[in-house]
Amino acid sequence: NAGVTQTPKFRILKIGQSMTLQCTQDMNHNYMYWYRQDPGMGLKLIYYSVGAGITDKGEVPNGYNVSRSTTEDFPLRLELAAPSQTSVYFCASSIIEGPNSPLHFGNGTRLTVT
Amino acid sequence: AQKITQTQPGMFVQEKEAVTLDCTYDTSDPSYGLFWYKQPSSGEMIFLIYQGSYDQQNATEGRYSLNFQKARKSANLVISASQLGDSAMYFCAMRDYEAGSYQLTFGKGTKLSVIP
Repeated sequence: NAGVTQTPKFRILKIGQSMTLQCTQDMNHNYMYWYRQDPGMGLKLIYYSVGAGITDKGEVPNGYNVSRSTTEDFPLRLELAAPSQTSVYFCASSIIEGPNSPLHFGNGTRLTVT
Repeated sequence: AQKITQTQPGMFVQEKEAVTLDCTYDTSDPSYGLFWYKQPSSGEMIFLIYQGSYDQQNATEGRYSLNFQKARKSANLVISASQLGDSAMYFCAMRDYEAGSYQLTFGKGTKLSVIP
């Protein structure tokens, strides 16, 4: 079982460049999430989606965009990379939205903006 | 107020001993879930254990147990018989209803080091 797959694993961007972080899941989960983890910190929610065609902002959405055209894929777009976006990005999914449903995480993308 | 508080930035434990990682939470939602995740140095997030707010008994998963004290709003993780492979960051998280959806909020984590 692949679960949640993120690509790339590592990326270095220059200030002002753009890129898309890819996320796909094969568990047929409706709910998908993007988090960022800064050094020594927990994870903070950037965007989430409750199904194809529906997305919403999380705690730290500025500087990012998402789309959800299929159940499987939930890409995260950085339009104008800034040093403050240097972080580790995690994509996650869950089968239901509720208090008892754990999130299943991908292995993360380590992004450095210089 | 912070939703999840982990007051121990780092902990050391001797191999084969038990260790407790502290977590307190804050929510006004009567229905919520508490989770612990492990993040080894390789970086992935591994789900360990879950406790529901209405569960009467403490959750257990192998060597992991969750000491749930609802009145004190604490959800401490207990690892019995520590192993070297338990060295990692541990995150407490809560899923409750806020602003129209159930979101998972994380604490800042505790770095556990197991000493041979």
